[in-house]
Amino acid sequence: GDSVTQTEGLVTLTEGLPVMLNCTYQTIYSNPFLFWYVQHLNESPRLLLKSFTDNKRTEHQGFHATLHKSSSSFHLQKSSAQLSDSALYYCALRSGTGGYKVVFGSGTRLLVSP
Amino acid sequence: NSKVIQTPRYLVKGQGQKAKMRCIPEKGHPVVFWYQQNKNNEFKFLINFQNQEVLQQIDMTEKRFSAECPSNSPCSLEIQSSEAGDSALYLCASSLSAEVFFGKGTRLTVV
Repeated sequence: GDSVTQTEGLVTLTEGLPVMLNCTYQTIYSNPFLFWYVQHLNESPRLLLKSFTDNKRTEHQGFHATLHKSSSSFHLQKSSAQLSDSALYYCALRSGTGGYKVVFGSGTRLLVSP
Repeated sequence: NSKVIQTPRYLVKGQGQKAKMRCIPEKGHPVVFWYQQNKNNEFKFLINFQNQEVLQQIDMTEKRFSAECPSNSPCSLEIQSSEAGDSALYLCASSLSAEVFFGKGTRLTVV
C-alpha cells in the first residue's frame, strides 16, 4: 500500500537558519497528490502546501517544496526559520481523489529557538 | 480557514460509556474522512464516506466503532463502549477534489 517516510522525528534550529524537512513516498499510482500539513500545539492540521506536478516548485507562506517523481520525494524547505514555525509537520500522500484516503508520514517536530 | 465543524471539542467518558462526536463537512464537499490521532501524534485512518456511502473503513476495533453520514444531518462517529486506549484526538476532514481539510477535532479522554 501507499506509504510516506519522514526520517527526522525532531529538528531543532536557531532562528534565521534554513529549514529542510525530508519526505519520501511510495505508491503504485503514477499521479499522486503530495501535501505538507502543519499542526501547531493544540490545533488541528492545516494544509500548508500541495503539489500534483512533477518538478514544479510550489510555495506558500515562505515555505516551498518540489515534487520529484524520479526520486519519490517532496522535501519541505524555507530559507530562514522563524520562532512561529515551531510545530509538527506532516508530509501526506493521496493517490487519487474521491475515495482515496490520505496517508500521513510520522511527522517531524520543528523547534526553532532564538 | 477550514470550514469543517466538529462538536464537541472535548469529551470525557468513563470506561464502558458511549462516546459520540459529530462533524459537519465543508459545504459542497462530498467526501468525509475520520482519523484518530493518538498521543504519539500518529494518524490512523478510520473510515471515509462519499455522500452517505462508506468507501473504506478499517476493521473497526471489535465493531465498537460505528460511523454514518446521513443526508441533511451531521456525520457522526460513535464508540459503543469506550476504553482507555480510545483516548485521542478524533479528526474529521472533508474533500471536494484532491485537498483534504480538517476540522478542529474532538479530544476524547476516557477515564
